[in-house]
Amino acid sequence: AQSVAQPEDQVNVAEGNPLTVKCTYSVSGNPYLFWYVQYPNRGLQFLLKYITGDNLVKGSYGFEAEFNKSQTSFHLKKPSALVSDSALYFCAVRGSSNTGKLIFGQGTTLQVKP
Amino acid sequence: DTAVSQTPKYLVTQMGNDKSIKCEQNLGHDTMYWYKQDSKKFLKIMFSYNNKELIINETVPNRFSPKSPDKAHLNLHINSLELGDSAVYFCASSQGTSRVNTEAFFGQGTRLTVV
Repeated sequence: AQSVAQPEDQVNVAEGNPLTVKCTYSVSGNPYLFWYVQYPNRGLQFLLKYITGDNLVKGSYGFEAEFNKSQTSFHLKKPSALVSDSALYFCAVRGSSNTGKLIFGQGTTLQVKP
Repeated sequence: DTAVSQTPKYLVTQMGNDKSIKCEQNLGHDTMYWYKQDSKKFLKIMFSYNNKELIINETVPNRFSPKSPDKAHLNLHINSLELGDSAVYFCASSQGTSRVNTEAFFGQGTRLTVV
């Protein structure tokens, strides 16, 4: 069965420092991986996805993610964090059946302090 | 224009009542979903419709009944509301179930509180 794990409930980083939000996955077949961000009292916004090709994926708001097949990871990164990046981040994998559903990780709260 | 819109944004109701949440998307997508986010922020799929046909029903109590009058709309009706139904419900849409490389677009959510 497809699954996603985000091992950290919360990540704290100082503004201007690089940030990493971790995600590992378990899939049968090719992984189709996504990152979403949820700001307080808002819906989920798509950040980026990995389907195939280059292992470094660039997305919205300066975020990028690195796909690592051997470590089954898809960590979200940003070279320089902003206070406005503080939010809840979800990693997700496409379900194995042809239903289009997303299976989400537990979510990681990113706190960027000035 | 909002791509995926849900109404209402907030819903407070008493136990035992019946309520509906409406969702509309203007992206031309053919697949729509309902997700539930619990108090621990965990997100889980409830239902999915593709071209008005139900394709996912993830062991949701039959008090929950989705209805899709057309490809652009997916409503969620809940009968006999219980305290445990309190959550945020998200509608989403994407293009095609077989297109695994397409991302889903989410609405702003409906915060349901059952008292």
